[in-house]
Amino acid sequence: GAGVSQSPSNKVTEKGKDVELRCDPISGHTALYWYRQRLGQGLEFLIYFQGNSAPDKSGLPSDRFSAERTGESVSTLTIQRTQQEDSAVYLCASSLAIGRVGEKLFFGSGTQLSVL
Amino acid sequence: SQQGEEDPQALSIQEGENATMNCSYKTSINNLQWYRQNSGRGLVHLILIRSNEREKHSGRLRVTLDTSKKSSSLLITASRAADTASYFCATVPSGGSYIPTFGRGTSLIVHP
Repeated sequence: GAGVSQSPSNKVTEKGKDVELRCDPISGHTALYWYRQRLGQGLEFLIYFQGNSAPDKSGLPSDRFSAERTGESVSTLTIQRTQQEDSAVYLCASSLAIGRVGEKLFFGSGTQLSVL
Repeated sequence: SQQGEEDPQALSIQEGENATMNCSYKTSINNLQWYRQNSGRGLVHLILIRSNEREKHSGRLRVTLDTSKKSSSLLITASRAADTASYFCATVPSGGSYIPTFGRGTSLIVHP
């Protein structure tokens, strides 16, 4: 596609349930990032993938959060046993290559997650 | 942790006026980027300035960088109602991780 695509755009779930968020990056972009944005706050880094290298998971807030990426394409962010504090917009971004410093990020429209 | 911090948190101006937003950061950077966000969803890249640059222009946008003060400013000239949005700076550290770190943003409202 022309841009970064995220699905679903909105997700309402009950506390304790698992959720899976999907991101389709721009074709050819080897770097993929997940960020979280709570209401009125800045972006909090979660995880990034670069090609076949081991992902940088340093931003994941707990072991309930995990993410996978298939090659250089689709990524899924999974949150297990959701808590109310997980409610936020989850943003995915891709760029050409993280090793080429200065590459700008292209963002998807995000998934608004609401945990009741 | 958030590297860049924008100031002010909120800015309200009239159409035609200039809007200035500032970003301060703490560690050495390779470059600094500004993004715009409408309605709390996806961000759009506006401009990138490298650590060896002091000023860049793009249309009505002017960005400055002062590495000695670890600060940057974004100036929007002749603002329009359509410029209403949140603006974020993102710093890319020098060496090691190239992951952009975002600040909390400045909420700009331009009144017609």
